[in-house]
Amino acid sequence: AQSVSQHNHHVILSEAASLELGCNYSYGGTVNLFWYVQYPGQHLQLLLKYFSGDPLVKGIKGFEAEFIKSKFSFNLRKPSVQWSDTAEYFCAVNGPSGGYQKVTFGIGTKLQVIP
Amino acid sequence: EPEVTQTPSHQVTQMGQEVILRCVPISNHLYFYWYRQILGQKVEFLVSFYNNEISEKSEIFDDQFSVERPDGSNFTLKIRSTKLEDSAMYFCASSLQGAFGNQPQHFGDGTRLSIL
Repeated sequence: AQSVSQHNHHVILSEAASLELGCNYSYGGTVNLFWYVQYPGQHLQLLLKYFSGDPLVKGIKGFEAEFIKSKFSFNLRKPSVQWSDTAEYFCAVNGPSGGYQKVTFGIGTKLQVIP
Repeated sequence: EPEVTQTPSHQVTQMGQEVILRCVPISNHLYFYWYRQILGQKVEFLVSFYNNEISEKSEIFDDQFSVERPDGSNFTLKIRSTKLEDSAMYFCASSLQGAFGNQPQHFGDGTRLSIL
């Protein structure tokens, strides 16, 4: 079955530091890739998605992610984090193994940004 | 921006009791989903629902679980006889199209289910 690995479970950064959160998935083929964010006390929100086309995807709030098919990776980046980026970040994928209706999530990375 | 809404935000139930979690998906969405997240674990897919029937379900979604769209707006998850291990955050999601329609799933705030 499809699985998603997020390498860092808890990241602490100072404001203005650069961020990169790793994400790898297990099965290749045609996949849809997502990063969701969950701010404290709020629901899961879509940060960005990749379906096809340019492997460098830009999302909201200055986030971007790069799909590298050969590495089964979809890492999230932001050049300069802000205190308001403190949240939990989930990498997710659907298809092909495990079906396309369901989204498989990674365990999440808690990001804490220190002012 | 339209949102998926879930009620209640927190449900406390005695073990063995039935519980119904309610969701109102975004009004023009056609695909509906339930996920759960046990504390400290991953968000896990439970079931997807389209055209008034289950389109996909996980091994977690056994006979204790059922879903229903009783009217044009609500989407419910019923757990028939709750167990301690059903304690989790349950998320409802909806999407305009299925996975290859280039439309992502939008999630609700979740219902925290606590089984005593």
